[in-house]
Amino acid sequence: QVQLQESGPGLVKPSETLSLTCTVSGGSLSSFSWNWLRQPPGKAVEWIGNVYYSGHTNYNPSLKRRVTVSIDPSKNHFSLKLNSVTAADTAVYYCARALSTSRWAPLGYWGQGTLVTVSS
Amino acid sequence: IQLTQSPSSLSASVGDRVTITCRASQDISSYLVWYQQKPGKAPKLLIYAASTLQSGVPSRFSGSGSGTDFTLTISSLQPEDFATYSCQQVNSYPLTFGGGTKVEIK
Repeated sequence: QVQLQESGPGLVKPSETLSLTCTVSGGSLSSFSWNWLRQPPGKAVEWIGNVYYSGHTNYNPSLKRRVTVSIDPSKNHFSLKLNSVTAADTAVYYCARALSTSRWAPLGYWGQGTLVTVSS
Repeated sequence: IQLTQSPSSLSASVGDRVTITCRASQDISSYLVWYQQKPGKAPKLLIYAASTLQSGVPSRFSGSGSGTDFTLTISSLQPEDFATYSCQQVNSYPLTFGGGTKVEIK
């Protein structure tokens, strides 16, 4: 069974870079899309972007100029970097894997989420 | 693509039939997904391709619709179903979610 686990600092200062890693167990990083999402307290889920084994990425235009998603198959993890953060970036951040290799696959596997607070 | 869910919240009793709607701002064919989320937990996949039940999800959950209008139905609400339900479109990037519907105990 595929499992995902987010890791990274829970507190980031304004204007700095938020960096998170999602470690995958129970499967390899090949074939599927690997996604980052976030959910501000009390608000809806927002998709940030994804990466494929090839390194191809897709980003949410609302965050694109600040986001980098990358993949490291040798370590079986993928990563998120969000720079120039503000308080509006405070959220629970989730990593997730597509259920299948279909272009229209839903997100079938999720990490437990990690709360990142932006504050000085 | 914007997704508008209604209602944003509802109160219901165990055994009630519950219907939640999700409207897309443009045609997304059948590329609509439903998730259930409980407090402090990640979303859980319930239904994809508008009407396909994810493995292990009880048959009291069903989905329907295509194009711009979609529905999630719980035929007989159970105590474990009190949660927030969200729709997501996977038709095109950026993937987007609805605002959620909180189902509370009446």
